[in-house]
Amino acid sequence: EIVMTQSPATLSVSPGERATLSCRASQSVRTNLAWYQQKPGQAPRLLIYGASTRATGIPARFSGSGSGTEFTLTISSLQSEDFAVYYCQQYNNWPLTFGGGTKVEIK
Amino acid sequence: QVQLVESGGGVVQPGESLRLSCAASGFTFSTYAIHWVRQAPGKGLEWVAFIRSDGSIRQYADSVKGRFTISRDNSQNTLSLHMNSLRVEDTAMYYCAKDLGAEWLMLDYWGQGTLVTVSS
Repeated sequence: EIVMTQSPATLSVSPGERATLSCRASQSVRTNLAWYQQKPGQAPRLLIYGASTRATGIPARFSGSGSGTEFTLTISSLQSEDFAVYYCQQYNNWPLTFGGGTKVEIK
Repeated sequence: QVQLVESGGGVVQPGESLRLSCAASGFTFSTYAIHWVRQAPGKGLEWVAFIRSDGSIRQYADSVKGRFTISRDNSQNTLSLHMNSLRVEDTAMYYCAKDLGAEWLMLDYWGQGTLVTVSS
């Protein structure tokens, strides 16, 4: 099983600032990586797939990069609605696996 | 618009069974794979099961293999998860989630979930 490790566990950021979230895979997943956003009491929402392709309707301030074992989700200028938990997910191998999540909170 | 509505959750004792359902609408159900993903209270996401658009391929997490069975009825636009020999550690919100394609393995629409509690 591929283990996905996200860091940091919590990120404190002021509105308007840039946020950089990391995700590391225990072995190469090529670019078969997705990012999701989850707000309290809500289902997750797909943000990015293919490591860098934004899903339909996702604002341009969200961007993804990386390949192999190291990936980054960047939110260029945090808006109030972006404070949430973010998960990465690999889909290169079965079973599909998620990272433990990064909580982005207001500083 | 795409809608996924889960049902069937509840409180059961360890060792008992439960059947979850997911009713889909707003898209051509038979064209897309569907997944079950769960989230224990206060914890992260855990992928549980996958079924291909035509039902020909199913995959399971090791933690549920042999106990859970995923199935679909493309004529009724419904998905099911039969859960047997439930354990305390199966307690979670269970989401059905639509795949981006027939077997793309990214989850682009999610239901609101149904809560399963396994407790004695």
